[in-house]
Amino acid sequence: DTEVTQTPKHLVMGMTNKKSLKCEQHMGHRAMYWYKQKAKKPPELMFVYSYEKLSINESVPSRFSPECPNSSLLNLHLHALQPEDSALYLCASSGGGPQHFGDGTRLSIL
Amino acid sequence: GEDVEQSLFLSVREGDSSVINCTYTDSSSTYLYWYKQEPGAGLQLLTYIFSNMDMKQDQRLTVLLNKKDKHLSLRIADTQTGDSAIYFCAGNAGNNRKLIWGLGTSLGVNP
Repeated sequence: DTEVTQTPKHLVMGMTNKKSLKCEQHMGHRAMYWYKQKAKKPPELMFVYSYEKLSINESVPSRFSPECPNSSLLNLHLHALQPEDSALYLCASSGGGPQHFGDGTRLSIL
Repeated sequence: GEDVEQSLFLSVREGDSSVINCTYTDSSSTYLYWYKQEPGAGLQLLTYIFSNMDMKQDQRLTVLLNKKDKHLSLRIADTQTGDSAIYFCAGNAGNNRKLIWGLGTSLGVNP
């Protein structure tokens, strides 16, 4: 069982919609991450939060907006996405050691 | 720049051992990781090794690290059909916040 929980598991949205992806962990980890993964490719880092502050933004387009409301939660707000944004979005957390991943949200943009 | 390389495919018979290889360029990596990804699933941390270790064994998994050659391998003993997946090698870049990923090795297990 994964200790990082992501919702929803699947999401289909149009290019004008606004939606949010959610991630939760209760391992006491103070670093949380968003990744984008295309099929059969390694994950690409998008954002890193450390102690609830954004510490890394890998030049991600502004149509992706991360938010860390508290040490257990991480959100990714989506607006005006493009078809090429269709992918698996993975959340991870770490306590200074290995990163632990959730099962991801499979996002399809129509 | 930093780079991690893996062979893309490996096919073995059920019951045989699998060896997945990885080479890396960043000698400052303090941890090296193996993640498994089954179809439609997220990334599962399989095992990891600290850079001052040569070997780590965990049940059917053996990780070997050759620091001189910057070569990492994952051996899966008695490979089962449930081991069919993509295996990613990754190294941390300095402060452990960013990982440098290999392209993944797709392991197929034939009955």
